[in-house]
Amino acid sequence: AQSVTQPDIHITVSEGASLELRCNYSYGATPYLFWYVQSPGQGLQLLLKYFSGDTLVQGIKGFEAEFKRSQSSFNLRKPSVHWSDAAEYFCAVAITGFQKLVFGTGTRLLVSP
Amino acid sequence: DSGVTQTPKHLITATGQRVTLRCSPRSGDLSVYWYQQSLDQGLQFLIQYYNGEERAKGNILERFSAQQFPDLHSELNLSSLELGDSALYFCASSVAGTTGELFFGEGSRLTVL
Repeated sequence: AQSVTQPDIHITVSEGASLELRCNYSYGATPYLFWYVQSPGQGLQLLLKYFSGDTLVQGIKGFEAEFKRSQSSFNLRKPSVHWSDAAEYFCAVAITGFQKLVFGTGTRLLVSP
Repeated sequence: DSGVTQTPKHLITATGQRVTLRCSPRSGDLSVYWYQQSLDQGLQFLIQYYNGEERAKGNILERFSAQQFPDLHSELNLSSLELGDSALYFCASSVAGTTGELFFGEGSRLTVL
């Protein structure tokens, strides 16, 4: 079955430090991959998406992600974290002709001063 | 503001009761998705409608039902409520019937006592 794994439940990063959030997927065909962010009390907002082409995709708020087919991964990165980045981050894969998203369990990012 | 409106924001009810959650998609979006977010299950896809028709079904219980009306708003009906139905219910919308970028509402938090 198609699935998305986010191995880190919580991550704490110092403000100004770099960030990498891990995402691995299991899907037989070419995946369509997404990263969403959920701030406390808010809905989910799309950060970036990968459909095809360049495996390094740029998103909003300075985030980027790299698709690595050989590793079945789509890790999210940011070179310098800001306190406002503290939130929960969800990786997702689109399946069945794009008709629904399957989400990972999320990674909660804490930013320390 | 994603443009997706969900009401009510909070709802407290008792076991065995029935509730209706309402969603107004972004202007122009034909597709509506319902997701359930709980601590133990994470984000679970429930159901998708496109222009009034059911398009995809996920882990939706038989006690739950949904519909999309001609004006494109959608309602999720939850009946015979159980304690385990306590969760955050998100509605999302997208432009076409396929999954690209989903725009999420802020959710309806249901507490079943």
